[in-house]
Amino acid sequence: ILNVEQSPQSLHVQEGDSTNFTCSFPSSNFYALHWYRWETAKSPEALFVMTLNGDEKKKGRISATLNTKEGYSYLYIKGSQPEDSATYLCAFIRTGGFKTIFGAGTRLFVKA
Amino acid sequence: DAGVIQSPRHEVTEMGQEVTLRCKPISGHDYLFWYRQTMMRGLELLIYFNNNVPIDDSGMPEDRFSAKMPNASFSTLKIQPSEPRDSAVYFCASSSTHRGLRTDTQYFGPGTRLTVL
Repeated sequence: ILNVEQSPQSLHVQEGDSTNFTCSFPSSNFYALHWYRWETAKSPEALFVMTLNGDEKKKGRISATLNTKEGYSYLYIKGSQPEDSATYLCAFIRTGGFKTIFGAGTRLFVKA
Repeated sequence: DAGVIQSPRHEVTEMGQEVTLRCKPISGHDYLFWYRQTMMRGLELLIYFNNNVPIDDSGMPEDRFSAKMPNASFSTLKIQPSEPRDSAVYFCASSSTHRGLRTDTQYFGPGTRLTVL
């Protein structure tokens, strides 16, 4: 059984706070890790595709790091805004068939 | 491009009826995925295709579920007979290879909300 775990399950922050959350995945058979942003009543939208150990990606105030040897990725949001409120999903893609396994997500609430 | 198109957007049916969900992937994408989202289990991969061929259907819950991809621009997910526990949002997504490697992002459709009474 492949487990992709995200923590925390939910997070409440004030506007302007910086925050981060974790995605843990199997350290073997790694192919890629994706981060998605999922707003309520919409479909998931891609944030980052990460493939190499040590990868760091950035898009505006959001950034992510990857450690494939220990099996974790961090997503950071600097200066959270109410529009950042969403569920952030990570997806682990393994070698040998490229099956995609999603974590349960971290639900972020940013209060103005 | 219009993105991934799914139909219908909402489906309400009675237990025992056949349900067919449809998906049109982004033109040129060679991977197509079917997911199910429930409160209890989150987003689950049901099956995915590469070049219209099913690659991994281990996520299909049982024989009542079947999926086909007769050509590169169309796929169906069928549930027969449907049961109340099949009520969920079903997403279709597509992606493409890049320089021979499948690392590209998955683009999701708007989903079909299925309610089985």
